[in-house]
Amino acid sequence: EAQVTQNPRYLITVTGKKLTVTCSQNMNHEYMSWYRQDPGLGLRQIYYSMNVEVTDKGDVPEGYKVSRKEKRNFPLILESPSPNQTSLYFCASRTGAGGYTFGSGTRLTVV
Amino acid sequence: GEDVEQSLFLSVREGDSSVINCTYTDSSSTYLYWYKQEPGAGLQLLTYIFSNMDMKQDQRLTVLLNKKDKHLSLRIADTQTGDSAIYFCAETHSNSGYALNFGKGTSLLVTP
Repeated sequence: EAQVTQNPRYLITVTGKKLTVTCSQNMNHEYMSWYRQDPGLGLRQIYYSMNVEVTDKGDVPEGYKVSRKEKRNFPLILESPSPNQTSLYFCASRTGAGGYTFGSGTRLTVV
Repeated sequence: GEDVEQSLFLSVREGDSSVINCTYTDSSSTYLYWYKQEPGAGLQLLTYIFSNMDMKQDQRLTVLLNKKDKHLSLRIADTQTGDSAIYFCAETHSNSGYALNFGKGTSLLVTP
């Protein structure tokens, strides 16, 4: 089944403790992206990647890092999480013109 | 980025038609999408339309695009309680690397 898999689904962590949210797609897509969803703000793009070793900032990149060493994986790294990064995070990969496939989301709480 | 605007709430009775509206400002938008998000779930692509099209129909869903007015609508015929969800309008264009630019979403409540 074609899908985007994120892990973990839920995560509670403490301020300053480095964490990684993994994202993997099995559709051989070149384009992958991370979004965060916040009440009243909708979905905002954090980072995207056009291909292996090609990444670029989205609208809200501060406090995040990404890497794209392989086509299928696009992890999101929070080196020193802060409470304002508490959010619902979505990974997506692009199915060409037909739109994006989204993962099921990761709900992160930073205390 | 450019703005995508949607009304926040819509309530309809089961069996009626729902119309969710969206306006956008970027005249270079290439594709426009409608996504559905049910509580606690991810985003599901409902349908999309290319900017040179006026209308697209897919079963109970009809998308209308007025490119001159930069207005997109999603009509759901015979709305069911299972259609209750948040609906996001999104646009993308080639000169932004095809990044999705979302509206804030319309919460659709379908009452029996």
